[in-house]
Amino acid sequence: ETGVTQSPTHLIKTRGQQVTLRCSSQSGHNTVSWYQQALGQGPQFIFQYYREEENGRGNFPPRFSGLQFPNYSSELNVNALELDDSALYLCASSVLAGGGETQYFGPGTRLLVL
Amino acid sequence: GENVEQHPSTLSVQEGDSAVIKCTYSDSASNYFPWYKQELGKGPQLIIDIRSNVGEKKDQRIAVTLNKTAKHFSLHITETQPEDSAVYFCAADNNNDMRFGAGTRLTVKP
Repeated sequence: ETGVTQSPTHLIKTRGQQVTLRCSSQSGHNTVSWYQQALGQGPQFIFQYYREEENGRGNFPPRFSGLQFPNYSSELNVNALELDDSALYLCASSVLAGGGETQYFGPGTRLLVL
Repeated sequence: GENVEQHPSTLSVQEGDSAVIKCTYSDSASNYFPWYKQELGKGPQLIIDIRSNVGEKKDQRIAVTLNKTAKHFSLHITETQPEDSAVYFCAADNNNDMRFGAGTRLTVKP
């Protein structure tokens, strides 16, 4: 176990709706990264938060947004859901140290958009 | 940006045999290369990693090699066991921008 938890485990939404996914980081970790993993694919980097500020972003539209709280827990928000947003959403926590930090993944939230 | 290619996509071996998974990357600035194992219904679990100043690293039955000149790195699992069956992902990290390969489904037959 990595000590990283995510909620909910599963979620079903319809197109156009909004969703909030939650992540609790491993104790002592100040950085959280979010990934989208489509079925049969590797995780794709959405963005990273460090000390409540966005610290890097992958190729995802602005309707994917995030928050990191003072206790280092985090949220991923997706607006105007599309069918292609159906995927496993993973968060990973780490301690920022200038690059190449080991990331520890949570179990993920499986989102289905109908 | 970084592009990581992983081969093979599926690999089936007999228990006790070795398994090798290979990855190539495109960005010479990448300096951290972790390998993750993902079992059904779970998040990826780090099994071994290597940094750009090291050519090889071993942890019991698992080893990773890195060739920075050729921009490729490999995972070697020896004496495979049925519980090694899972999907394995390689990744390359450049300043906290981590890119993953598409994964290799390893099946170890008893």
